[in-house]
Amino acid sequence: GNSVTQMEGPVTLSEEAFLTINCTYTATGYPSLFWYVQYPGEGLQLLLKATKADDKGSNKGFEATYRKETTSFHLEKGSVQVSDSAVYFCALGNAGGTSYGKLTFGQGTILTVHP
Amino acid sequence: SQTIHQWPATLVQPVGSPLSLECTVEGTSNPNLYWYRQAAGRGLQLLFYSVGIGQISSEVPQNLSASRPQDRQFILSSKKLLLSDSGFYLCAWSGTGGFEKLFFGSGTQLSVL
Repeated sequence: GNSVTQMEGPVTLSEEAFLTINCTYTATGYPSLFWYVQYPGEGLQLLLKATKADDKGSNKGFEATYRKETTSFHLEKGSVQVSDSAVYFCALGNAGGTSYGKLTFGQGTILTVHP
Repeated sequence: SQTIHQWPATLVQPVGSPLSLECTVEGTSNPNLYWYRQAAGRGLQLLFYSVGIGQISSEVPQNLSASRPQDRQFILSSKKLLLSDSGFYLCAWSGTGGFEKLFFGSGTQLSVL
């Protein structure tokens, strides 16, 4: 079955530091990959996605590249801000068929950015 | 625009008591609806999904049930809560055209004591 493994947190960084949150997956077929973010007191929201190998998803300065050869989808940002403090979830989903958009999530990584 | 409402935000219930969490979606019709749970230190786990009124699929065996009495209403229930039901419950919806991104509610933190 499908599974997602994220680097364990929490991750604590100073403002303007470089961020990497590792994510690897196992899946059948050709899944789509996602990063969701949960800001304090809010629900999850989609941050970025990639639907095929070598695709790069990007949003709000965050990037992640779909690496089929290493089954990875690591999240990166060159310069984090205090407002990036949140919980980040890596997820995968299989399109079409009877999947109905079901996602498999990693356990989440807490990021705290200090001024 | 579409919105999703989930309540309550927090809930503390004794073991053996019933549970009812409600989720409603506005601004769209015939959405796919989902209940996820995040137990402490673990990832989000899909509990139920629904592709239409009265159509519920369960992903994992458990002490919980779900119902969809109306197109945009999704309810998570239990007759008798267990300690292991504690967790963070998230309702979500998506479109029905193949794979669509999920839109999540703000979640309910359930503590069973």
